[in-house]
Amino acid sequence: ETGVTQTPRHLVMGMTNKKSLKCEQHLGHNAMYWYKQSAKKPLELMFVYNFKEQTENNSVPSRFSPECPNSSHLFLHLHTLQPEDSALYLCASSQGQGGGAETQYFGPGTRLLVL
Amino acid sequence: GQNIDQPTEMTATEGAIVQINCTYQTSGFNGLFWYQQHAGEAPTFLSYNVLDGLEEKGRFSSFLSRSKGYSYLLLKELQMKDSASYLCAVRDSNYQLIWGAGTKLIIKP
Repeated sequence: ETGVTQTPRHLVMGMTNKKSLKCEQHLGHNAMYWYKQSAKKPLELMFVYNFKEQTENNSVPSRFSPECPNSSHLFLHLHTLQPEDSALYLCASSQGQGGGAETQYFGPGTRLLVL
Repeated sequence: GQNIDQPTEMTATEGAIVQINCTYQTSGFNGLFWYQQHAGEAPTFLSYNVLDGLEEKGRFSSFLSRSKGYSYLLLKELQMKDSASYLCAVRDSNYQLIWGAGTKLIIKP
């Protein structure tokens, strides 16, 4: 199943680097999400886009900058990250945003290590 | 605050049955989801419950009691490939998904 793809799968970066994570969905969905997943913690919703418009920003530090050029692509631009930002970053998509039975489909994630 | 509780880790034997519990306290309720996540892979959708009762899907079943704020995922005839983390998530009154930390299920031969 390759409905939602993410690149790169693994990333190691220093605190002064700038990098970008990419997500692409091939499901014809209108909503896309960025989540952070840390060990033994619940998924943390970072950003939500619906029809290319940002609808949620859950108090995410400005060192994370999302970009959604169209309904199929989502980027997360990273700069001056901290070691505590090391985590698995998951992208997801859904047909719409938040209807009762709306199911989110996830990509495999980018494993990020900040040194 | 909103909270989803599920056990951190469970161990079961191949061929057996295991029940993974999830309790929730959320502002409103618009459905409960179970996802499976193998190590290093994407979470994949397993089930959705919005009404009380049991939903059966092959070897997996999910139960919901809204009055008790409680759900469980029942896995029958366990196979080694069922070793994974199982995530419980509740959609609240704002239609936001609130996630539990996941239950790591270890299957032993």
